[in-house]
Amino acid sequence: ETGVTQTPRHLVMGMTNKKSLKCEQHLGHNAMYWYKQSAKKPLELMFVYNFKEQTENNSVPSRFSPECPNSSHLFLHLHTLQPEDSALYLCASSHSGGLDYGYTFGSGTRLTVV
Amino acid sequence: RKEVEQDPGPFNVPEGATVAFNCTYSNSASQSFFWYRQDCRKEPKLLMSVYSSGNEDGRFTAQLNRASQYISLLIRDSKLSDSATYLCVTYIGTGGGNKLTFGTGTQLKVEL
Repeated sequence: ETGVTQTPRHLVMGMTNKKSLKCEQHLGHNAMYWYKQSAKKPLELMFVYNFKEQTENNSVPSRFSPECPNSSHLFLHLHTLQPEDSALYLCASSHSGGLDYGYTFGSGTRLTVV
Repeated sequence: RKEVEQDPGPFNVPEGATVAFNCTYSNSASQSFFWYRQDCRKEPKLLMSVYSSGNEDGRFTAQLNRASQYISLLIRDSKLSDSATYLCVTYIGTGGGNKLTFGTGTQLKVEL
């Protein structure tokens, strides 16, 4: 276990469904992130939360809606997704200031949109 | 131009070989640099930070050339367990959480 837990590990959903991805960190970090990883592409930053305030939205479509109720929990609410949204969604956390140790990633949710 | 560029490979090397990966980055404001390792269908994990003076961790040596905006990773005495994708990563502090930018990764396959 890395200290960052993501659920579910796998998710298959139809284009009309609504689902949520959950991330929880037990590392005392105060910044949390959502990344998308598609085949043959680099990890794409989606959202950044710092002390539970959103500080970055990297032009993500509104069908992805993040929520950060506290510094330990992060959600990604999904609705009316498209097949091209199928990917590995990774949550990560870090300390806010200074980055000597990089991020710690969760194991990811592998999402398939049918 | 990609912010972080890497040769995707794959690099197929025999066990015991020395292999080097290179990476270039486009944003001269990048402040910190890392190598991450990602096994198939797993999450990326921090392998090592990269410092201007160069740094070594066992069989792994990382180098940074800020003037050329170039980062390298050298793996000596390759093991089968080194087979993975190696991600070159840069960091820019945004004042509101830290922003890492990832390359597409270089795939390494170590063979018997």
